[in-house]
Amino acid sequence: DQQVKQNSPSLSVQEGRISILNCDYTNSMFDYFLWYKKYPAEGPTFLISISSIKDKNEDGRFTVFLNKSAKHLSLHIVPSQPGDSAVYFCAASVEGSNYKLTFGKGTLLTVNP
Amino acid sequence: GAGVSQSPSNKVTEKGKDVELRCDPISGHTALYWYRQSLGQGLEFLIYFQGNSAPDKSGLPSDRFSAERTGGSVSTLTIQRTQQEDSAVYLCASSPAMGGELFFGEGSRLTVL
Repeated sequence: DQQVKQNSPSLSVQEGRISILNCDYTNSMFDYFLWYKKYPAEGPTFLISISSIKDKNEDGRFTVFLNKSAKHLSLHIVPSQPGDSAVYFCAASVEGSNYKLTFGKGTLLTVNP
Repeated sequence: GAGVSQSPSNKVTEKGKDVELRCDPISGHTALYWYRQSLGQGLEFLIYFQGNSAPDKSGLPSDRFSAERTGGSVSTLTIQRTQQEDSAVYLCASSPAMGGELFFGEGSRLTVL
């Protein structure tokens, strides 16, 4: 039973345009959400996070939106750059157990020059 | 280097053999985590260490899997009597304290023939 779902295995966008990566979750106990980015042959690196008390968190070109009622979050990258091409993982945790992240399967983003 | 170091980077073994995977976390990080990523799947939590103790080992798939951490630093994940379904990338991560941003190593790719 997948508690964190990334339904798009891949996404392709043009350089300079917006990339929108989506993530849905089923466990209503999740209250902290993260995005990790992974290049081939490297470990995932933390990108951005959001607590359930917020609905938006922005860091430079990256913005994460959280819709708790829909159990949905999205990562917006604007403008997209070729160096953003990577696999993006959505992850979630429960307060009190925030050492244990539940990950989605990832979305491969390709930004074309 | 200053990052999380894992060895071996690649391991091919025969079914039924034991394997040991090593993780050297970032110096000073008290929390250490093991995850694994099977082909086409998201990262799956295995075990978490705070210092040398493992408050949560609920993610270990079977009693063939064990892990220890010594001196609050290096950790070893041992898989006994390996099976083909154990084939995956085993990722270690560390953090300064429980939860928050995890810093991942590059992973150990295990292939069981």
